Amino acid sequence: DSGVTQTPKHLITATGQRVTLRCSPRSGDLSVYWYQQSLDQGLQFLIHYYNGEERAKGNILERFSAQQFPDLHSELNLSSLELGDSALYFCASSVDNSGRDEQYFGPGTRLTVT
Amino acid sequence: AQKITQTQPGMFVQEKEAVTLDCTYDTSDPSYGLFWYKQPSSGEMIFLIYQGSYDQQNATEGRYSLNFQKARKSANLVISASQLGDSAMYFCAMREGWGYSSASKIIFGSGTRLSIRP
Repeated sequence: DSGVTQTPKHLITATGQRVTLRCSPRSGDLSVYWYQQSLDQGLQFLIHYYNGEERAKGNILERFSAQQFPDLHSELNLSSLELGDSALYFCASSVDNSGRDEQYFGPGTRLTVT
Repeated sequence: AQKITQTQPGMFVQEKEAVTLDCTYDTSDPSYGLFWYKQPSSGEMIFLIYQGSYDQQNATEGRYSLNFQKARKSANLVISASQLGDSAMYFCAMREGWGYSSASKIIFGSGTRLSIRP
């Protein structure tokens, strides 16, 4: 158990819908990262938040947005869902923003868009 | 642009043998970090080892070591005395830059599926 929690574990929804994925980092970790893992695109970095502020953006679609709240939990919002958004979404946390620290991954949320 | 290449989509190794998983990278930033992660069939991502671009010595963590050849831009993972539980997908990753003002991205390779034979 990494100490990072993600809810829900599984999510099935229809095209055009909007969903919210939630992540709680390990106690004391200030950084939260979101990743998407799909069969065709592999593991892709989406976005990084540090202590409530956006620090880096990866291949995140405009239909996707994220935020990190004062209690450090984070949410990833996916809207106007398409079949291609079906993937495993990971959240990871780390202590700081130095880049030298290891990231602890949550168990992931498996999103299926039908 | 930063890039990570893992050229071995799959490998089979006999139990107790050592195994090397290849990873090459490309970056123009002198400051970067290299990571290896393990993803078992259960799906979770497990951190294995880290190497910083300025680290003088190769990183080691138990049975894992990183063969860092900076001039060749390679960061191969070596697993000594492989075990059945090592069967998993292994990902190499890189982050450019560090520091509290850094806004760096992280990229992952396509992974290598390692299967350990008893």
